[in-house]
Amino acid sequence: GAVVSQHPSWVICKSGTSVKIECRSLDFQATTMFWYRQFPKQSLMLMATSNEGSKATYEQGVEKDKFLINHASLTLSTLTVTSAHPEDSSFYICSASRLVRSYEQYFGPGTRLTVT
Amino acid sequence: DQQVKQNSPSLSVQEGRISILNCDYTNSMFDYFLWYKKYPAEGPTFLISISSIKDKNEDGRFTVFLNKSAKHLSLHIVPSQPGDSAVYFCAASLGSGTASKLTFGTGTRLQVTL
Repeated sequence: GAVVSQHPSWVICKSGTSVKIECRSLDFQATTMFWYRQFPKQSLMLMATSNEGSKATYEQGVEKDKFLINHASLTLSTLTVTSAHPEDSSFYICSASRLVRSYEQYFGPGTRLTVT
Repeated sequence: DQQVKQNSPSLSVQEGRISILNCDYTNSMFDYFLWYKKYPAEGPTFLISISSIKDKNEDGRFTVFLNKSAKHLSLHIVPSQPGDSAVYFCAASLGSGTASKLTFGTGTRLQVTL
């Protein structure tokens, strides 16, 4: 149980275009979903927290107009990187938590974004 | 300000032996601690968690020990297997409400040799 999927697993886009990444909880309802970013050989950096039906809470230094997060249902959250630039190239990972034992987060497999 | 620290970037252990991964934290308000395993280009996999009111939790080959007075936790893997080779992150949670965030350590790369 507690499986989280992400789509796509990797994407290459041109500078200035937008990219949408989907995160789905497959076998449970996710009360909260989180979006992380990981740079090479570094730890995971939390970008934002989202609850179903409400606006996401962004961490300090994360541009909310650039990284649009929508949590439309209890099983789906999307991250849209708008007007992507090469410095947005990174590994993006989502996670989801349940109502019970909500401190446990279950992670998706990640999405590798390369902006050319 | 690194609230969760893993001071050993790497660890090498022989197959069959015990692997001990360490983690220190500074915030005494953390109420849950978790260990994750991560392979390259994949998301972290949840391994085991412990509440701050306990000092030990065991699940199969994995045991986590918590020493609150020292603000230290460790993950023991016995016996270590080659498939355990990965990067291990410890994480701490502040508040078990619906928006509890995790603070991650920098990770320890474990290599289990034959």
